[in-house]
Amino acid sequence: AQSVTQPDIHITVSEGASLELRCNYSYGATPYLFWYVQSPGQGLQLLLKYFSGDTLVQGIKGFEAEFKRSQSSFNLRKPSVHWSDAAEYFCAAEGPGGGNKLTFGTGTQLKVEL
Amino acid sequence: DVKVTQSSRYLVKRTGEKVFLECVQDMDHENMFWYRQDPGLGLRLIYFSYDVKMKEKGDIPEGYSVSREKKERFSLILESASTNQTSMYLCASSEPGQGAYEQYFGPGTRLTVT
Repeated sequence: AQSVTQPDIHITVSEGASLELRCNYSYGATPYLFWYVQSPGQGLQLLLKYFSGDTLVQGIKGFEAEFKRSQSSFNLRKPSVHWSDAAEYFCAAEGPGGGNKLTFGTGTQLKVEL
Repeated sequence: DVKVTQSSRYLVKRTGEKVFLECVQDMDHENMFWYRQDPGLGLRLIYFSYDVKMKEKGDIPEGYSVSREKKERFSLILESASTNQTSMYLCASSEPGQGAYEQYFGPGTRLTVT
């Protein structure tokens, strides 16, 4: 079955520190990959997506993600975290031919210590 | 700016009631989706629609139905609400077709069934 795994339920980092959120997928073929962020009381907002081509993808708010086919991973990174980055982050995948249907991971809650 | 609105932010209903959750998008998107979000489970797809009067089951359709009479509006119906349907419900819309199209989310409706 197709699935997306986010192994870290909670992560705490200090403001100014670097961040990496992990995401692994299990699909028969390489899916389209997304990272969404959900701030408290809000809907989800797209940070970035991987469709094809360059495996390092730049997104909004200073985030980037790297697609690694050999590891079936699409990890999200930010070099210096700001207190406003505290939120829940979701990795999602759309299978080829999936008609824009997304499978989401269970999410990672990010806490930023000042 | 794409806007997806949901009729209520908070809703409290009694067991056995019929519940309607409304979603409206203003970008003429053909795809619309209903998810439920539960802690530790991420987002799970309930139903989606690729066009007016068309609907397809997602991963957890049991206990739910949908209606799409107009392109901009997608309704989720709980025929007889039960306590295990207490959850956050998120609506989303996107461009038609496939290929890493962004889904735009509403702010969510937090439904409590007592």
